[in-house]
Amino acid sequence: NAGVTQTPKFRVLKTGQSMTLLCAQDMNHEYMYWYRQDPGMGLRLIHYSVGEGTTAKGEVPDGYNVSRLKKQNFLLGLESAAPSQTSVYFCASSYPGTSGANTQYFGPGTRLTVL
Amino acid sequence: EDQVTQSPEALRLQEGESSSLNCSYTVSGLRGLFWYRQDPGKGPEFLFTLYSAGEEKEKERLKATLTKKESFLHITAPKPEDSATYLCAVQDVRGSNYKLTFGKGTLLTVNP
Repeated sequence: NAGVTQTPKFRVLKTGQSMTLLCAQDMNHEYMYWYRQDPGMGLRLIHYSVGEGTTAKGEVPDGYNVSRLKKQNFLLGLESAAPSQTSVYFCASSYPGTSGANTQYFGPGTRLTVL
Repeated sequence: EDQVTQSPEALRLQEGESSSLNCSYTVSGLRGLFWYRQDPGKGPEFLFTLYSAGEEKEKERLKATLTKKESFLHITAPKPEDSATYLCAVQDVRGSNYKLTFGKGTLLTVNP
């Protein structure tokens, strides 16, 4: 049981380049999320999905797009990277229990640098 | 708006020196409070979910407690391997049930 995996682990882009980050989970979770983590800012939600074929905006969605074509995968795309998108990106998944409490499980992260 | 404040920002302990981390929160109603551990260069690792005031959960040297306004993560006789950033998050009963609000974390360093 791998849990939540992310690829790649590291990436360096030049301003204006595009890329896709891949998240996969093998826990059959309905919900998936993309966060960014910056020093002094904590974890901020970019986009999320409550099921296959659905996506929605979080707190900081500008400059990012997402897709959830399969239940186990959640893709995060940067169409035209900017230095402000230099960050560590985390994917998470969850299956709210009978209480409704949304315990999220995180992947190992992708460290992205935009020059 | 939901708010989570963790204190202190950083804590340095000697091995065996017990202490507590604090998580103060403001929500309309609490559906769940979550504790995570994050090691440098890694993703947050789930530790506990607490649901209601008075609840306690334990795991090895860690014990999490919950009141109506705050949660404490008590660390008993810590070891150097307990060094990490500890994150607290809350889920409000109002609104969508996807959203967690995270604190900025407490960086714990345990010296041998």
